[in-house]
Amino acid sequence: GEDVEQSLFLSVREGDSSVINCTYTDSSSTYLYWYKQEPGAGLQLLTYIFSNMDMKQDQRLTVLLNKKDKHLSLRIADTQTGDSAIYFCAETHSSASKIIFGSGTRLSIRP
Amino acid sequence: NAGVTQTPKFQVLKTGQSMTLQCAQDMNHEYMSWYRQDPGMGLRLIHYSVGAGITDQGEVPNGYNVSRSTTEDFPLRLLSAAPSQTSVYFCASSELQGSGNTIYFGEGSWLTVV
Repeated sequence: GEDVEQSLFLSVREGDSSVINCTYTDSSSTYLYWYKQEPGAGLQLLTYIFSNMDMKQDQRLTVLLNKKDKHLSLRIADTQTGDSAIYFCAETHSSASKIIFGSGTRLSIRP
Repeated sequence: NAGVTQTPKFQVLKTGQSMTLQCAQDMNHEYMSWYRQDPGMGLRLIHYSVGAGITDQGEVPNGYNVSRSTTEDFPLRLLSAAPSQTSVYFCASSELQGSGNTIYFGEGSWLTVV
């Protein structure tokens, strides 16, 4: 069945780059997403990538997709304290009517 | 622009009680869903709907019912609350899946069953 896996925790120093990794099992995935959840709030879409792309950049965010290995990553450049949150990887495909989320990676920033 | 509105935000129930979590969206989205979020388990899909009159089960449907009588509303009913249903519940909506459309989430409902 479909599965999305992420590590649960990541700690980085302020100003460094953060790289959050995700693996998925559904080879027919069409869209892959990164969502951010701040404490006490719902999820907000950060970015998404279509499966025929291998990279997408948006300001400090870079998404890399390795479709062969079913591996997705989110790089946050110059990590700031406001980036502290839980980051969820998610996937769906064009014939599906649901989106599958990973367990989320809690990003903490140390001074 | 309200987006996705969930109520209540906080609720404490006794074991065996029933209740309904309300969800409404004003974006004319066809797709609506309910998730529960538990520590270390991310978001798990409870039920979803691809349009009025159509509902389907997600990963963890047991103990929950849904209905979709209108496009706007998608209530989640707990039939007989159990402590295992203590969780944070999120309602979400989007245009139909499969097109990279943004999923909009409500702000969450914190439910404690004692």
